[in-house]
Amino acid sequence: EPEVTQTPSHQVTQMGQEVILRCVPISNHLYFYWYRQILGQKVEFLVSFYNNEISEKSEIFDDQFSVERPDGSNFTLKIRSTKLEDSAMYFCASRPISAGGYEQYFGPGTRLTVT
Amino acid sequence: RKEVEQDPGPFNVPEGATVAFNCTYSNSASQSFFWYRQDCRKEPKLLMSVYSSGNEDGRFTAQLNRASQYISLLIRDSKLSDSATYLCVVNGAGNQFYFGTGTSLTVIP
Repeated sequence: EPEVTQTPSHQVTQMGQEVILRCVPISNHLYFYWYRQILGQKVEFLVSFYNNEISEKSEIFDDQFSVERPDGSNFTLKIRSTKLEDSAMYFCASRPISAGGYEQYFGPGTRLTVT
Repeated sequence: RKEVEQDPGPFNVPEGATVAFNCTYSNSASQSFFWYRQDCRKEPKLLMSVYSSGNEDGRFTAQLNRASQYISLLIRDSKLSDSATYLCVVNGAGNQFYFGTGTSLTVIP
């Protein structure tokens, strides 16, 4: 069964450093998402991406964040200058285009620790 | 007001019990509704979509009440493997999705 994959599984970085989190969505999916989940809190929407551009973004997704689909398979989230409060689990998700269907499939997540 | 609200629980039920979770949402324009389950430190996994007419998948039944902006999940004949956090998910504007805080379920032998 096709799966969303994410790398790395755990990233430790120092405050102020740039990080890039990588995701490989399911191959025939066309909508891509990033979410974050701070430990003990709910899953929070960051951004959705379709047709090589951002379609929606939340208030969390400020100028420090960017997304890119650099090739036909990868989907990346970049945090330009990490803060302590960026420590969280980051989930990538994807979904196909299907009539009436918005079901998203999640990758296993990248745990980001900012020290 | 939060976009999606759930009773956090925890719910502790014996094996074989029936348990129901509720969720309310604030945006009357929402069109897509889901239940996901999340095991500790794992990714959310889709359990089922919720349709206007209600839908059932084995031991799981989901209901939607648009007038009251309310979604429910019923689990019959609970198994130990049902122990998890159950997440209510609703779309907001277009392609943006909101998660509830989740309801914790522990099924006890």
